[in-house]
Amino acid sequence: GAVVSQHPSRVICKSGTSVKIECRSLDFQATTMFWYRQFPKQSLMLMATSNEGSKATYEQGVEKDKFLINHASLTLSTLTVTSAHPEDSSFYICSARDPERGPEKLFFGSGTQLSVL
Amino acid sequence: QKEVEQDPGPLSVPEGAIVSLNCTYSNSAFQYFMWYRQYSRKGPELLMYTYSSGNKEDGRFTAQVDKSSKYISLFIRDSQPSDSATYLCAMKVGGGGNKLTFGTGTQLKVEL
Repeated sequence: GAVVSQHPSRVICKSGTSVKIECRSLDFQATTMFWYRQFPKQSLMLMATSNEGSKATYEQGVEKDKFLINHASLTLSTLTVTSAHPEDSSFYICSARDPERGPEKLFFGSGTQLSVL
Repeated sequence: QKEVEQDPGPLSVPEGAIVSLNCTYSNSAFQYFMWYRQYSRKGPELLMYTYSSGNKEDGRFTAQVDKSSKYISLFIRDSQPSDSATYLCAMKVGGGGNKLTFGTGTQLKVEL
């Protein structure tokens, strides 16, 4: 399947700092990428849709000033958790569609475990 | 009521068993159905993708969709310890839009 690379895989930070997570499509161009959040033993919750060259679309209840998304190129989207707090600790996963493999199929990165102390 | 219901398990089976994983849903607008496998602390991996009602087979995996009952299943034949993971069903409405709705996932353990 299509390859989506996510970095870093794990980050531990102090409360109040900002953390940037990168998501890259390695073998295809992704005009749209998606950011999910997953708590232990819970489902993936869509946070926002990242659109290349335009503003991200956030799901209801997700603070856009807290979770900054930038999709500067067709292969890279970044999620920045600003002024992180312990309640932001979670597993963050990005995903993307490869139009040539079908618009309905999502390919996921390996995820980033964020721990805020 | 959640849009997608999935038994979280855990489900423990012996090696070689046939595994049946299921999801029910309430939104009749769902047209696309997917099954993902997620190993611990990893991103989900797409296993099966179906559109119409009926069965779709890929190796040891069979996906089944019954739109009239709003019920989908994933069968795993000859289960292996390497199949031990969490299996997530996911659905999407037709006619465009981006949002996938996921089940909570079923944790499967295949024991030697």
